Amino acid sequence: SQQGEEDPQALSIQEGENATMNCSYKTSINNLQWYRQNSGRGLVHLILIRSNEREKHSGRLRVTLDTSKKSSSLLITASRAADTASYFCATGQYGNKLVFGAGTILRVKS
Amino acid sequence: ETGVTQTPRHLVMGMTNKKSLKCEQHLGHNAMYWYKQSAKKPLELMFVYNFKEQTENNSVPSRFSPECPNSSHLFLHLHTLQPEDSALYLCASSQDYRGKMNTEAFFGQGTRLTVV
Repeated sequence: SQQGEEDPQALSIQEGENATMNCSYKTSINNLQWYRQNSGRGLVHLILIRSNEREKHSGRLRVTLDTSKKSSSLLITASRAADTASYFCATGQYGNKLVFGAGTILRVKS
Repeated sequence: ETGVTQTPRHLVMGMTNKKSLKCEQHLGHNAMYWYKQSAKKPLELMFVYNFKEQTENNSVPSRFSPECPNSSHLFLHLHTLQPEDSALYLCASSQDYRGKMNTEAFFGQGTRLTVV
């Protein structure tokens, strides 16, 4: 069964604005990861946050994790048109499983 | 280029055909995965291989048959598929540490499969 659920399903913003995407999950996890997918292509890993971490940064990306609420958020600051893509959260679970949510489609208008 | 190569990139097959998808990783990883991505549905984990051993079969129909001859190669053999099996099939690899999925996965570009 699918694990994570992203919110919102779609997001449209202007270039320069910040984009926030949320993810919720249901079971215990080892870590939570965020991926990006350009239309119809493979996924690219963005950032991994471990279950004992609360916040992590990578360039313009900021990820938070709240294990008590089983939720995570991805913030992209100062968005660019090139950030237009689908973004997925995925939970790293025992048994070497990486289970994905439904994704958020982000459109950044220039 | 992520170090994971999938062939073919596109495949059209009839319901009575037999075909195979191939995945090769050049990263020295010990775990490989098949995912299915259908329109308007989340990525579905199909199979997980660890050190060439299948560790996960996510209730996948038997018309999909995986094969992992070594840690670098993964195949998905297809036979008597249905039109609803049309999707993007993604292969991925990672370095597994005791089954904890503690590292990132690297994905290939996928095979766009159309069943007619």
